[in-house]
Amino acid sequence: DSGVTQTPKHLITATGQRVTLRCSPRSGDLSVYWYQQSLDQGLQFLIQYYNGEERAKGNILERFSAQQFPDLHSELNLSSLELGDSALYFCASSVDAGVYEQYFGPGTRLTVT
Amino acid sequence: AQTVTQSQPEMSVQEAETVTLSCTYDTSESNYYLFWYKQPPSRQMILVIRQEAYKQQNATENRFSVNFQKAAKSFSLKISDSQLGDTAMYFCAFMKLGNQGGKLIFGQGTELSVKP
Repeated sequence: DSGVTQTPKHLITATGQRVTLRCSPRSGDLSVYWYQQSLDQGLQFLIQYYNGEERAKGNILERFSAQQFPDLHSELNLSSLELGDSALYFCASSVDAGVYEQYFGPGTRLTVT
Repeated sequence: AQTVTQSQPEMSVQEAETVTLSCTYDTSESNYYLFWYKQPPSRQMILVIRQEAYKQQNATENRFSVNFQKAAKSFSLKISDSQLGDTAMYFCAFMKLGNQGGKLIFGQGTELSVKP
């Protein structure tokens, strides 16, 4: 158990819908990362937050957004969902920005039908 | 932009044998970290080993060791005395150091099967 929690574990929704994925980092970790794992794109970095502020952005679609709240939990919002958004979404956390040790949560499996 | 390449989509090894997984990367950076992550069927991402680019000595963690060749931009993982529990997808990853954050760039993965 990495100490990073993600909810829900599984999510099934229809095209065009909007969903919110939630992540709670390890106690004391200030930085949160979101990654997407899909069959065709592999594991891709989406976005990083550090202490409530966006720190780095990767291949994140405009339909996707994220934020980190004062209690340091983070949410990834996916809207206007398409079939191709079906993937495993991981959250990871680290003590500080740029620190190598990232601890991954168990992931949220999103299925868009 | 940095890229990570794992040229072996699948590999298999007999239990107790040794196997080496290959990884190459491309970067113009001088300060970076390299990692191997393991993803078993449970889908949990588990850090296996890390290597700091400024260190010449190859990292070792129990049965896992790396062969880091900085000039060749090569970073292979050796698993000794393979165990059934080593069956998993293995990802090589690169992290550039800097104030822009610590995003990981992953290779496509190598699926390792350990056979009894």
